[in-house]
Amino acid sequence: EAQVTQNPRYLITVTGKKLTVTCSQNMNHEYMSWYRQDPGLGLRQIYYSMNVEVTDKGDVPEGYKVSRKEKRNFPLILESPSPNQTSLYFCASSIQGASYEQYFGPGTRLTVT
Amino acid sequence: GDSVTQMEGPVTLSEEAFLTINCTYTATGYPSLFWYVQYPGEGLQLLLKATKADDKGSNKGFEATYRKETTSFHLEKGSVQVSDSAVYFCALFGNEKLTFGTGTRLTIIP
Repeated sequence: EAQVTQNPRYLITVTGKKLTVTCSQNMNHEYMSWYRQDPGLGLRQIYYSMNVEVTDKGDVPEGYKVSRKEKRNFPLILESPSPNQTSLYFCASSIQGASYEQYFGPGTRLTVT
Repeated sequence: GDSVTQMEGPVTLSEEAFLTINCTYTATGYPSLFWYVQYPGEGLQLLLKATKADDKGSNKGFEATYRKETTSFHLEKGSVQVSDSAVYFCALFGNEKLTFGTGTRLTIIP
């Protein structure tokens, strides 16, 4: 089944404790991205990657890191999480870029206390 | 920059009612327009799209027409079902970037 998977689905952590949210797709997509969803703000893009070893900042990259060492994986790293990073996070992928249909993962609910 | 404005929700309708969710946009050039739907506990999925003026996107009984003169892409459905309860996002692709609206929560009551 074609899908985007994220882990974990739910995470509660404390300020400053490094964490990684994994994202994997099995569709051989070149483009992957991370969004955060907040009430009243819709989806805002954090980082995106056009292909392996190519990553770029989205609209709200501060406090986040990403890497794209393999085509299928695009982990999101929070080196020192803060409470303002409490949010619902989505990973997405598409064949070749943002103009194509985006396939979203199920989301990761992160709470930073 | 580009932006998308959706009608504020939540929207509550009875089953078989007519649905309209308004979406207007601001963009330079000729963006592509999308509607995505997010069912409870799931990620977003593409509902329909239109890539040029006067195009009509349609899927699962939903329709939206790309109106350049009014910069709008309103979502419509003639007869909604309980299973249509979800959050609906209007989005545009322009200037190499995908921009989402804030979402409209729709609840259909039997």
